[in-house]
Amino acid sequence: DIQMTQSPSTLSASVGDRVTITCRASQSISDWLAWYQQKPGKAPNLLISKASTLESGVPSRFSGSGSGTEFTLTISGLQPDDFATYYCQQYNSYSWTFGQGTKVEIK
Amino acid sequence: EVQLVESGGGLVQPGGSLRLSCAASGFTFSTYWMSWVRQAPGKGLEWVANIKKDGSEKYYVDSVKGRFTVSRDNAKNSLHLQMNSLRAEDTAEYYCARDIGDLWGQGILVVVSS
Repeated sequence: DIQMTQSPSTLSASVGDRVTITCRASQSISDWLAWYQQKPGKAPNLLISKASTLESGVPSRFSGSGSGTEFTLTISGLQPDDFATYYCQQYNSYSWTFGQGTKVEIK
Repeated sequence: EVQLVESGGGLVQPGGSLRLSCAASGFTFSTYWMSWVRQAPGKGLEWVANIKKDGSEKYYVDSVKGRFTVSRDNAKNSLHLQMNSLRAEDTAEYYCARDIGDLWGQGILVVVSS
């Protein structure tokens, strides 16, 4: 099974900061990677698919990059609405795996 | 409106069974893979099962293999998860999701406890 390792687990940042979250796959997944945002009590919201494709309606301050085993999610200019938990997910195989999540907190 | 709505959750004793349903509307259900994802209280997301558009292929996380069965009824635009031999560690919010997760239901809580 493919394991996904996200870092950091928690990130403290201020409004306006540039924030980067890293996700590593235990084996190559090409660019079959998605990023989600989840707020308490809500379903996850898909931000990025195929490692770098921004979903419709997602602000352009969100960007994704990487391929193979190393991926990053960057938020350029953190906004109050961005304080949430972020998950990566591989879908290279029919058996998906999520990273353990990164909680972005207010500094 | 494009949406997924889960139902069927609740409290069940260890060893018991529960059947979750997910009603799809506003899109052509039969053209999408569908999935179940769960989230234990205070924990991260865990993929549970996938099912192909026509139901001919199904995949499960190891921890539920042999206990859970995913199915779909394309005529009724519905997805199901039959959960048997439930354990305390199956306690979670269960979500149905379309394709790779571009649409999610609101979630339904399953609590396994005596």
